[in-house]
Amino acid sequence: EVQLVESGGGLVQPGGSLRLSCAASGFTFSSYAMSWVRQAPGKGLEWVSSISDSSDNTYYADSVQGRFTISRDNSKNTLYLQMNSLRAEDTAIYYCAKARGSNIAAADNYWGQGTLVTVSS
Amino acid sequence: DIQMTQSPSSLSASVGDRVTITCRASQGIRNYLAWYQQKPGKVPKLLIYAASTLQSGVPSRFSGSGSGTDFTLTISSLQPEDVATYYCQKYNSAPLTFGGGTKMEI
Repeated sequence: EVQLVESGGGLVQPGGSLRLSCAASGFTFSSYAMSWVRQAPGKGLEWVSSISDSSDNTYYADSVQGRFTISRDNSKNTLYLQMNSLRAEDTAIYYCAKARGSNIAAADNYWGQGTLVTVSS
Repeated sequence: DIQMTQSPSSLSASVGDRVTITCRASQGIRNYLAWYQQKPGKVPKLLIYAASTLQSGVPSRFSGSGSGTDFTLTISSLQPEDVATYYCQKYNSAPLTFGGGTKMEI
């Protein structure tokens, strides 16, 4: 059974940093692209970032480019999102999602339960 | 960047109705289009990928069509458990933009 478990969310002050993790199990993690998608309270889904299976390619939304860094450790079956210079508008539930293929040109067929990030003073 | 526009933003229909949601891309994306269902308080679930391929386990009353810039999600006979918000997403290339969502009510 595919499982994606996010952690690392919490309350952080504006300008602060957080690192999210997503522990994957139940599939060959190193064979699939992965993404982070967020959802602000009461709002729609927003794609944040994606990474290919071997980390050769990373992609970011304009809203987080230069502030967030996606990475993965295939030996640990774990996806990461380093978030720096956080702003109030980054407040959201952050979901980890597994793509159907090795690159980003594939829909996400499994999602984690999400971790809440709140940016507030 | 390619924009994804969904319509309507909300929809109220009766059990048994046939309902259709539309998603339009500002430029052609071939068939790199997915549909997701998010029930209240739940995680998004993939319904359809490649514009018209039903994800395993999804009821056959859901179907998708389209290519290029215009896509539709159809529920052939609306059920009470279909109350949810539906999102389209392009995935031909980054950014992997979502549509604004369609809130479905009974």
